[in-house]
Amino acid sequence: QVQLKESGPGLVQPSETLSLTCTVSGFSLTSYGVNWVRQPPGKGLEWMGTIWNDGSTDYNSALKSRLSISRDTSKSQVFLKMNSLQTEDTAIYLCAREFYGGYSVGWGQGVMVTVSS
Amino acid sequence: DIQMTQSPASLSASLGETVTIQCRASEDIYSGLAWYQQKPGKSPQLLIYGASSLQDGVPSRFSGSGSGTQYSLKISSMQTEDEGVYFCQQGLKYPLTFGSGTKLEIK
Repeated sequence: QVQLKESGPGLVQPSETLSLTCTVSGFSLTSYGVNWVRQPPGKGLEWMGTIWNDGSTDYNSALKSRLSISRDTSKSQVFLKMNSLQTEDTAIYLCAREFYGGYSVGWGQGVMVTVSS
Repeated sequence: DIQMTQSPASLSASLGETVTIQCRASEDIYSGLAWYQQKPGKSPQLLIYGASSLQDGVPSRFSGSGSGTQYSLKISSMQTEDEGVYFCQQGLKYPLTFGSGTKLEIK
């Protein structure tokens, strides 16, 4: 059964760096990619980036200068780091397994990140 | 970036009613479209991919259709458990982009 679970701090200071972990089970990171998506409270979904099964990455150009996605295949973990956080980065951050390339399945429950001093 | 425009923003339907949600892409996405359902406080769930393929475990009352830039999701007989927000998403080109969502409620 495909499962993903996000973890990380719930509160980040403005201008600081966000670090999140997505721990997966039920599949191998060397076989499938993982997408990161975020959702501001009460709003829609924004694709942030993907780390593919070969370790390559694609990023949303709107976030590319601040965003980094990496992984540890031995621990079945994917990492998201985003710097220079602002209040508009307040959102629920979700990871999901890629499906047929452009789609997402097995979404985690998400982690709410608030950017505030 | 490909813009996804969803309509309506919200609708109410009676039990057993047929519901249709529309999604328009800003350019041809060659059936590279998915529909997701998101219930309150939950994560999105994939319903339809490739415009018309039903994801495993999704009830057959859900169906997707369309081509080019125009797509739709149909629920053939509204059930109480179908309440939630529905998003379309194009999976053809990066960055992947989503529609703004349709909130579906029971009338």
